[in-house]
Order: sequence, then C-alpha cells, then structure tokens
Amino acid sequence: EVQLLESGGGLVQPGGSLRLSCVASGFTFTNYAMGWVRQAPGKGLEWVSDISGSGGNTYYADSVKGRFTISRDNSKNTLYLQMNSLRVEDTAVYYCAKEAGSGSYGHLDYWGQGTLVTVSS
Amino acid sequence: DVVLTQSPLSLPVTLGQPASISCRSSQSLVYSDGITYLTWFQQRPGQSPRRLIYKVSNRDSGVPDRFSGSGSGTDFTLKISRVEAEDVGVYYCMQGTRWPLTFGQGTRLEIK
Repeated sequence: EVQLLESGGGLVQPGGSLRLSCVASGFTFTNYAMGWVRQAPGKGLEWVSDISGSGGNTYYADSVKGRFTISRDNSKNTLYLQMNSLRVEDTAVYYCAKEAGSGSYGHLDYWGQGTLVTVSS
Repeated sequence: DVVLTQSPLSLPVTLGQPASISCRSSQSLVYSDGITYLTWFQQRPGQSPRRLIYKVSNRDSGVPDRFSGSGSGTDFTLKISRVEAEDVGVYYCMQGTRWPLTFGQGTRLEIK
C-alpha cells in the first residue's frame, strides 16, 4: 500500500525558512517522480514543484521559483521541500504526491495527508 | 500557462440524479506523444485529494463505475451517473501536458 507522510509544517515569520519532508513507503521510491501541491485555506489546488526519480530534473511554479528547492534522498525514501524567503501568501496545506513514473509528470496518483505551513508575524 | 476553466463552480444535485462537470482548456491538451494528460480529482471535506480519472477517461482502481470521464482537445467532462451521499466534495481537473501543471478552480458538489 502506497503511503506518503508529510511533516515539517508550522508557524514561521515572513522572510523565514522551513523544510518539509515526505516519507514514502509501499513502492520503489527511486522509480517515481514526486511532486508538491499546496492549498491555501479555503482555496483550490496549486502545483508547486516536481522532481524526477533520480533527482536530476526539477520543475517549479513561477510563484516559488528561486525561493523553494525540491530535493530527494532515495536512500531514505524521502522527498523534501526547502522553503526560503517565505511570504504570507505561501500559507497553505502542502501535499506531497507520487507521479506515475521516473520521468513521468502530471499524474499525481497518490497524495499524502498534508502539512500546514502558516506564514505570519 | 494553460488555464483550465471549470463549470459550474457549485453543483447542487438530488441523490440518485446524474451530475456533470465541464473543464475547458485554453490550449489543446494533446501531448507530442498523442496522449491527452487530463486528470480529475475528488476532494471530500477534510480529506486529501484523490485521483479519480486519468488520461481523460481511465478510472483509477477502486473508483465506482458511476464516475466517467470524456472529452478531447480542449473540452472535457466528468460525469456521475447517479450521485450518492459520499460524492459530496470538490472536484478538480488538472492538466499534465504542459509545464506548469495547472488545476481548474474546482467544482463544489452538494446534495440538494
């Protein structure tokens, strides 16, 4: 059974940093690209970033490019999202999601339960 | 960026009646490999999104057959043949053909 467990969310001041983690189980992690999607309170879904199975290719939404960094440690079955220069508008539940293949994107077939990031002074 | 426009945004439906949600794209969603990467998700209240349909019309494992997807090019539809109470929630379409990945605004289905 595929399981994705996010952690690392919390309250942070504007301009601060936070690192989210997502531990995966139930599938061969290195064989699948992974992604992050966020949802601001009461709003819709917004794709944030994706990374290939090897970690060699990364993709970002314009809204986070240059501030967020996606990475993965395949030896630990863990996906990360390093978030710097956080803004109030980054406040959201952040979901990690599995893609359908190593270099296959836009599928998001399994999602975690999400972790809440609140950016506020 | 590809803009996905869903309609209606709110959908009150009587139990047992059909429901239909439209998703229109600002650009063709046919990829260079000939496949159309249009996906439908369901988000029940208080839950994470769940994928229902991928590549326009393929139902995910465990998804009831009352859900169906159709369409081509820029026009897509999610249909529920007979709405049940457990179908309450918000439905999103998403395109995976072009970067950045984009979602529709969501359609809230409620029981009338």
